[in-house]
Amino acid sequence: SQTIHQWPATLVQPVGSPLSLECTVEGTSNPNLYWYRQAAGRGLQLLFYSVGIGQISSEVPQNLSASRPQDRQFILSSKKLLLSDSGFYLCAWQKGDVPGNTIYFGEGSWLTVV
Amino acid sequence: SQQGEEDPQALSIQEGENATMNCSYKTSINNLQWYRQNSGRGLVHLILIRSNEREKHSGRLRVTLDTSKKSSSLLITASRAADTASYFCATEDRGSTLGRLYFGRGTQLTVWP
Repeated sequence: SQTIHQWPATLVQPVGSPLSLECTVEGTSNPNLYWYRQAAGRGLQLLFYSVGIGQISSEVPQNLSASRPQDRQFILSSKKLLLSDSGFYLCAWQKGDVPGNTIYFGEGSWLTVV
Repeated sequence: SQQGEEDPQALSIQEGENATMNCSYKTSINNLQWYRQNSGRGLVHLILIRSNEREKHSGRLRVTLDTSKKSSSLLITASRAADTASYFCATEDRGSTLGRLYFGRGTQLTVWP
């Protein structure tokens, strides 16, 4: 069966510091991978998606970047965090063979920028 | 906005009662998915219903889809305290080749024992 792991689960970082959130998927190959952000009391907003190694698309301009160095690894990064980057970040995966497959989410990472 | 919108924003019921949550959206869709989120946790997938389907069941869950009204409902029968969570609907646009989901803000369900 497929599993998705995301870490760290919680993170408190000062303004201006770098960020790295990591996500890995097991039990599948060539998945579509996603990073979403959830602000307090809000729905989820898609930040980045990837259909393959090295292929990253950004949905919204922001202080963050994403990379996919391996098929099942997706990393969310920032060189200098802003207060507004605080939130709940969720990685998700989907079978990439046909459109319309179910999207599965990880447990999320709480980021607080202070 | 292409987001789904859940209604009501909050729902409070007693154990054993049924809970109904509604979702409206604005675009033509490939499918609509319902998710559950416990406080501070990730999203758990509940049901995916495709645009050519009208109803799906999974255990105590029943989802309907009316594409003419651009709306969906999630019914939880015989609710339990453990069903307390936020419930989100998410739509995938018709013609999308990628699973870009548009989420609503969710319904917060509280089930009292």
